[in-house]
Amino acid sequence: DAGVIQSPRHEVTEMGQEVTLRCKPISGHDYLFWYRQTMMRGLELLIYFNNNVPIDDSGMPEDRFSAKMPNASFSTLKIQPSEPRDSAVYFCASSSDTTIYFGEGSWLTVV
Amino acid sequence: GNSVTQMEGPVTLSEEAFLTINCTYTATGYPSLFWYVQYPGEGLQLLLKATKADDKGSNKGFEATYRKETTSFHLEKGSVQVSDSAVYFCALSEGPGSNYKLTFGKGTLLTVNP
Repeated sequence: DAGVIQSPRHEVTEMGQEVTLRCKPISGHDYLFWYRQTMMRGLELLIYFNNNVPIDDSGMPEDRFSAKMPNASFSTLKIQPSEPRDSAVYFCASSSDTTIYFGEGSWLTVV
Repeated sequence: GNSVTQMEGPVTLSEEAFLTINCTYTATGYPSLFWYVQYPGEGLQLLLKATKADDKGSNKGFEATYRKETTSFHLEKGSVQVSDSAVYFCALSEGPGSNYKLTFGKGTLLTVNP
């Protein structure tokens, strides 16, 4: 299997622009997670899905962030409008049991 | 709530030295425990795991034993290499009924010098 696939790997955008991050989980996994990593806060769980349904979005920082999972093989994390403090690495991860597998991350810089 | 505490880094060692990174946890149930490794500029990779008390996880020369009595999961390696330089994260998963969310420690940066 190719693992969890994320795109884009790197994105630089201007403040106020919309950012869309994409994720393809490992086939057969029924859980999908979005994490954010920053130097200050470490790894934070933003939201996770089970069978395409959002289960817990309590980690989503504010209304500017939204996530969708229209089918079992695709999810998006959207930031609109983006702000410099959103600069971070965003990881998508998936699992079917106790082991969670991570993608390589989307490195976002908002200037 | 659940939490993971790792020894603070950074840790700097010479090649072939012995490595220990301490990890303790707090959990209400019976979690699974993990070590993830993040190499520079890359994502997190699962290094090893243990799902019940007294289990030992091992991979690439690294080992960690799930100690319920001390709520610990310390990472060890007998002889580190330069290529082991990375950030190491201890984590726990709440397991069945709690949807397998991971709670991470803050990470420990390891630098191995030749």
